[in-house]
Amino acid sequence: DAGVTQSPTHLIKTRGQQVTLRCSPKSGHDTVSWYQQALGQGPQFIFQYYEEEERQRGNFPDRFSGHQFPNYSSELNVNALLLGDSALYLCASRGTGESPLHFGNGTRLTVT
Amino acid sequence: EDKVVQSPLSLVVHEGDTVTLNCSYEVTNFRSLLWYKQEKKAPTFLFMLTSSGIEKKSGRLSSILDKKELFSILNITATQTGDSAIYLCAILNYGQNFVFGPGTRLSVLP
Repeated sequence: DAGVTQSPTHLIKTRGQQVTLRCSPKSGHDTVSWYQQALGQGPQFIFQYYEEEERQRGNFPDRFSGHQFPNYSSELNVNALLLGDSALYLCASRGTGESPLHFGNGTRLTVT
Repeated sequence: EDKVVQSPLSLVVHEGDTVTLNCSYEVTNFRSLLWYKQEKKAPTFLFMLTSSGIEKKSGRLSSILDKKELFSILNITATQTGDSAIYLCAILNYGQNFVFGPGTRLSVLP
């Protein structure tokens, strides 16, 4: 049973560029969330997707956008990258009801 | 705004010691409190607590929730070097939002 998978594992981009991160949820999960974790901090909620729609959004600018596909996989897009966007980006999925988040190994994004 | 506070932020102990990690929260429409262990990348789920006063145990780890005082503790007995990690506390509210604390970085020395 595959868990949450993310790609790529590492990425280096230059300020102003755009990036797309990908996530496949754990089998049987239909809700996908994205988190940003800066060094020394806890994960910060970006947004959540369910039934191909953004259902919840955290305090992140419109430069951060996403998509969920019919197979429940998801993408996170970040435009006009800033140095401060350097972080570990975690994707998490969960099933229905009161169930915990299951996390992928994340994508380490470095913006130079 | 929902908030989770953890203490201490950092802790160094020796193998065999017992540690207690603290998590307090302010949240509207509380549903559950969760603990995660993050060793390198992916946080891994430890416990989900919904009812006050009921201890959850898994081996040397245990956790309890106090909904009246709005806090939880995570205990680790007979610590091992493999327990070295960041321990994250999170709350789930009825809006289906998970809010994470900053984590406690635990280092267990041989």
